Amino acid sequence: DQQVKQNSPSLSVQEGRISILNCDYTNSMFDYFLWYKKYPAEGPTFLISISSIKDKNEDGRFTVFLNKSAKHLSLHIVPSQPGDSAVYFCAASSTSGTYKYIFGTGTRLKVLA
Amino acid sequence: GAGVSQTPSNKVTEKGKYVELRCDPISGHTALYWYRQSLGQGPEFLIYFQGTGAADDSGLPNDRFFAVRPEGSVSTLKIQRTERGDSAVYLCASSQGTENSPLHFGNGTRLTVT
Repeated sequence: DQQVKQNSPSLSVQEGRISILNCDYTNSMFDYFLWYKKYPAEGPTFLISISSIKDKNEDGRFTVFLNKSAKHLSLHIVPSQPGDSAVYFCAASSTSGTYKYIFGTGTRLKVLA
Repeated sequence: GAGVSQTPSNKVTEKGKYVELRCDPISGHTALYWYRQSLGQGPEFLIYFQGTGAADDSGLPNDRFFAVRPEGSVSTLKIQRTERGDSAVYLCASSQGTENSPLHFGNGTRLTVT
């Protein structure tokens, strides 16, 4: 049972435009969400997180939006840069649990120069 | 250290052999996690330590897999009687172990079972 889903395996965006990566979850106990970026042969790198008490968190070019009623979150990157080309994973955890993080299957973003 | 360190970076072993994978977390991080990532998939949770004890080992696929963290710092993931299906990248991560603390990953160990 995939509790965290990223339904788009890949996305291509022109440099300078907005990239929107989506993530859905099924477990209503999840209350902390994170986005990670992964380059080949490296471990995932933490990008940005959001707690369920918020619906938006912004850090520079990266903004994460959380829609709890829809059990949906999205990562917006604007403006997109070629160096943003990577695989992006969303992850979720329940702070009432054991802080176990469940990851989605990832979306490969390609930013075209 | 500056980041999470995993050794070896690559390991090739024959089916049926025993392997150990090592993880050195960020200094001061009390929580340590092991994940496994297969091609085209996201990281799959295996086990999580808080200090020396396994707080959640629900992701270990079977009793061939075992992990220890005897002094609350370095951890070793041990796989007995390896199978070809165990081939994957094994990722270790650490965190401060408090609510809403993100994981910081190492670069992983690529295990290939021939």
